[in-house]
Amino acid sequence: KAGVTQTPRYLIKTRGQQVTLSCSPISGHRSVSWYQQTPGQGLQFLFEYFSETQRNKGNFPGRFSGRQFSNSRSEMNVSTLELGDSALYLCASSFSTGGRNEQFFGPGTRLTVL
Amino acid sequence: GENVEQHPSTLSVQEGDSAVIKCTYSDSASNYFPWYKQELGKRPQLIIDIRSNVGEKKDQRIAVTLNKTAKHFSLHITETQPEDSAVYFCAATRPGNTPLVFGKGTRLSVIA
Repeated sequence: KAGVTQTPRYLIKTRGQQVTLSCSPISGHRSVSWYQQTPGQGLQFLFEYFSETQRNKGNFPGRFSGRQFSNSRSEMNVSTLELGDSALYLCASSFSTGGRNEQFFGPGTRLTVL
Repeated sequence: GENVEQHPSTLSVQEGDSAVIKCTYSDSASNYFPWYKQELGKRPQLIIDIRSNVGEKKDQRIAVTLNKTAKHFSLHITETQPEDSAVYFCAATRPGNTPLVFGKGTRLSVIA
């Protein structure tokens, strides 16, 4: 099976811009979760989508949003970028919803905000 | 909500020695505790997990122990090898469709 893929792998943006990241899950997986990874802060949960519906949401401002398509691919959008949004954004897919299912991570998108 | 504390943040051991990473959680309802390993420049991968109906689980050189009363769980790696060098994340979640809450990670360095 092909693994989780994310595009683009690297992004450089300036403050105030917006960005869209994409995640393609493992075939057959219907859940996609998004995490922000920064040095010293670990993996912070952003949100989870399952069958095109947001099932869980972390403590991030409304500038962070996402969606999932009927083929389970997911996108994450960040509007009005801030310097603090610079991070590695990881998506993870699993067969079903919730953290009790093994999360298969993608390679991440490295976002740099200047 | 759940809060997971992980210690130490960095750990250096000599090759062949054992390494122990400890995590505490706050939500007594949490009952699933996985550990993920992230090698440098790579994606996190599940290496072992434990559910609250058992106190210990082993898989070759790695083991995880769980103390529900004290609300802490630990990862034990024996006979460490250079390829064990990575960042290790613990996590916890409660029953239902709730997301994982991760600790902040431990950077393990195995010195040859």
